[in-house]
This record gives sequence, C-alpha cells and structure tokens, in this order.
Amino acid sequence: AQSVTQLGSHVSVSEGALVLLRCNYSSSVPPYLFWYVQYPNQGLQLLLKYTSAATLVKGINGFEAEFKKSETSFHLTKPSAHMSDAAEYFCAVSDNTNAGKSTFGDGTTLTVKP
Amino acid sequence: DARVTQTPRHKVTEMGQEVTMRCQPILGHNTVFWYRQTMMQGLELLAYFRNRAPLDDSGMPKDRFSAEMPDATLATLKIQPSEPRDSAVYFCASVLTGSNYGYTFGSGTRLTVV
Repeated sequence: AQSVTQLGSHVSVSEGALVLLRCNYSSSVPPYLFWYVQYPNQGLQLLLKYTSAATLVKGINGFEAEFKKSETSFHLTKPSAHMSDAAEYFCAVSDNTNAGKSTFGDGTTLTVKP
Repeated sequence: DARVTQTPRHKVTEMGQEVTMRCQPILGHNTVFWYRQTMMQGLELLAYFRNRAPLDDSGMPKDRFSAEMPDATLATLKIQPSEPRDSAVYFCASVLTGSNYGYTFGSGTRLTVV
C-alpha cells in the first residue's frame, strides 16, 4: 500500500522568496516519487521525479526536490519564486508494480505575491 | 513532444443526455487512466486499463459511467444519463508500465451538465 500526504493545501510566498512545498509518503517497497504542476485550465505536467538514483533531483523551471528515506519525505523547493510559478502542485508515489499506478496527494496551491 | 489528446475540450449538455469523452494515449504507452477533478473532491481516479484490459473501475459510478478501450489508440469514457453532479474536468493520462517517466496527462475535457 502507498499513500501521500501534502502538508498545507495553500502556500503563499512573495516573489523572490523561497518556495517549500511539503510531501511525505508511505510505501511498502522502494518508491518512485513525482511532482506534477497544474496551471489553470491545463492538465498536470511532470515537474520532476525520483527513481532511486540521486537523492537530490532537479526539474524544470528551477525546482528541485530531495528524497529523504529516513524522513519519508520528498519536499519540493525553489530558491526564488516567480509570478509564473503560481499553480497547483501534486506529489505522487508509485511502486511501479501495480500496473504503473501512482497515488496522488491532495495538491498544494501556490500563490505568489508581487 | 508526444501528447495525450482529449476531445472535446469543452462540453455543455443537458441533464439526461449521453456524453462521450475520448482520449488518444501516447503511442506505445500501455496503461491508460481516467481521472475526474472537482474543487470539492480534488483529483479522483475513475478507472484504468493496461494493454486495453480494465484493471480497476471501482472509482466510477457503475450505473451511469462506462469506460472502454476499443483499440490501443483510443480510450472512451461515457456517461449515460448525465447529471449536474457530473460537472467536472475529466483527465486522461497514459504511461508505459515499468518505465519511470511518470504520467503524461491530456488537457482535459471540461464537462458542464445543466
């Protein structure tokens, strides 16, 4: 069984400030972990992924995430927020054995203030 | 870039009418998912297929929803009869099982039932 908890359904930061979106997972086997971003009126798109290689993963648009097994976490960060980062972000976990099925978190809406 | 194509993008229909949504997964992807997204419930998994065979449709209201994959290039989601509570954005996503690329989502079908 696998699950994902995203702490904070809404996060607000000022432009230029650090972005930190939290994700904790539960998985009975070594997980694959993903962050997706959804802009208004669009589908989800893959931001970055962890698949058991480097624990610090870099994605598109300057985002990165660090896999911490001891903390069962995969938090998403960006050093300096841009207005264009305003979107909804989803964390997902997959064990890649159940027909490639991922379990998604409830999402975190990021607001960037000017 | 390869894309998941969903049609129509928008659909407004009257209560009681049949609605069919279509999805063309990425060529070579063997697992296809249908999701529904609403403000209240977030992202819900309705059904998914692997190699065109239904694996799980427990998320769908069985009396009115049906999902099929007539061939590897087409997945359909049908609602008959439609109800106002079905108003939502419906997403299709595809992935190659065993890969670690994450899902590719379509742009969604925004359904409004009046």
